[in-house]
Amino acid sequence: QVTLRESGPALVKPTQTLTLTCTFSGFSLSTSGMCVSWIRQPPGKALEWLALIDWDDDKYYSTSLKTRLTISKDTSKNQVVLTMTNMDPVDTATYYCARIIRREGAFDYWGQGTLVTVSS
Amino acid sequence: QLVLTQSPSASASLGASVKLTCTLSSGHSSYAIAWHQQQPEKGPRYLMKLNSDGSHSKGDGIPDRFSGSSSGAERYLTISSLQSEDEADYYCQTWGTGVWVFGGGTKLTVL
Repeated sequence: QVTLRESGPALVKPTQTLTLTCTFSGFSLSTSGMCVSWIRQPPGKALEWLALIDWDDDKYYSTSLKTRLTISKDTSKNQVVLTMTNMDPVDTATYYCARIIRREGAFDYWGQGTLVTVSS
Repeated sequence: QLVLTQSPSASASLGASVKLTCTLSSGHSSYAIAWHQQQPEKGPRYLMKLNSDGSHSKGDGIPDRFSGSSSGAERYLTISSLQSEDEADYYCQTWGTGVWVFGGGTKLTVL
C-alpha cells in the first residue's frame, strides 16, 4: 500500500525559508523508475507543479520557481525534502507530494497535503 | 509550450452523464494525460492515465462509471450515473521532458 504524508510548518514569515518533508511508504526511491514530486495549490486556485526527484537523483524544477527551490531525498528514511527560499504571502498554499512512475508520467498516489501560510 | 486548457465549470443532473474536456496545446496532440479528482476540502485523487488513442488505465478502486476517450488534441473524461460524491474539481495533467503541467481544473456541479 502506497502512502505519502507531508509535514512542515503551518506558518512562515515573509523572506524565511520553508522546509517541507514528504515521508512515504509502499515503494522505494532506490527502485528504477520511481519519482516523488511536489505540487502546490493556493486557496481556491489550481494545482501547480513545483519539483521532482527521481530514483537516479535527477532533479527537475518549475521554470518560474527554479531559483528558489531545492529538492533532495533520503532513501534510507523514505523521505523527500523540498526547500523554498524567500517566502512571500503569494506562496500561501497547500503543498502536496505525490509519486510518479517515470515511464507512466502521471501522479498516481498523493499525500493529503499540508497548508502553509506566509504571514508576518 | 505545453499547456492544458479546461473549461472552468460544468454541471449535470444526478444519475446523468457528463463529459469533461481537456485540450492540449498546439503541437502536443499525441501526448498522454492523466485525470485527477479533488473533492471539496480533500487532496487530489488519481483517476486514470489516458493515451492519445483513447486507451486508458485507471487508478486503484476507480469505478467503471469513470471512463476516458481522445480525439485529436482533446482528452475527455466521462462520468456516467452521476452521484453526489462526484461533485468535485477535475484536473488534467500531462508531462514533457523535465516538466509536468496541470490544467486549470473544471468544477463539476451535480444538480
